[in-house]
Amino acid sequence: GAVVSQHPSWVICKSGTSVKIECRSLDFQATTMFWYRQFPKQSLMLMATSNEGSKATYEQGVEKDKFLINHASLTLSTLTVTSAHPEDSSFYICSARVALAGVPSYNEQFFGPGTRLTVL
Amino acid sequence: AQKITQTQPGMFVQEKEAVTLDCTYDTSDQSYGLFWYKQPSSGEMIFLIYQGSYDEQNATEGRYSLNFQKARKSANLVISASQLGDSAMYFCAMRASYGQNFVFGPGTRLSVLP
Repeated sequence: GAVVSQHPSWVICKSGTSVKIECRSLDFQATTMFWYRQFPKQSLMLMATSNEGSKATYEQGVEKDKFLINHASLTLSTLTVTSAHPEDSSFYICSARVALAGVPSYNEQFFGPGTRLTVL
Repeated sequence: AQKITQTQPGMFVQEKEAVTLDCTYDTSDQSYGLFWYKQPSSGEMIFLIYQGSYDEQNATEGRYSLNFQKARKSANLVISASQLGDSAMYFCAMRASYGQNFVFGPGTRLSVLP
């Protein structure tokens, strides 16, 4: 399957600082990228969907001013957690999809390895 | 609205035995895909198996098979000959057609006992 990378794999920061997480599709062009957040022992929760060159669509309850998403190219999306607080500590996972619409298939969406954010 | 239910928060299985992880789903769409992912403690999401709603045969991938019962809206994962490395969280997910997003179930934590 295709490879999606995330950087950094883990980050520790002080409260009030901003943290940027990168998501790259290494060997394919992703029309759509997704950002998920996962709290311990819970499932993945979709935060936002972004298409290259357009504004991200945020899920209900996700603060767009706090979680800035930029999808500058077909291979790169970034999530910036602004003015991070301890409650933002979580595991953030990105995913990249090769096809936007149509019948779902097994090889359409690939996940990055995740970034563990700890805010002190 | 789409929903995935996994009723088993945790499961134990003896090494080399088979185990079934339950998944039921709810959707009004006629065309959809069902996915199973494994998430070990490292956190990465590992794709295991896929079943399309129009696939007539149950999907199989090595030791993994999917027991698809469309009328009951269930898509249970069967792992045969469990190995210690199978200990992980397992998520059932669904995506309907037309660009809709993945919907994940709450997950089942599988522990394989030596």
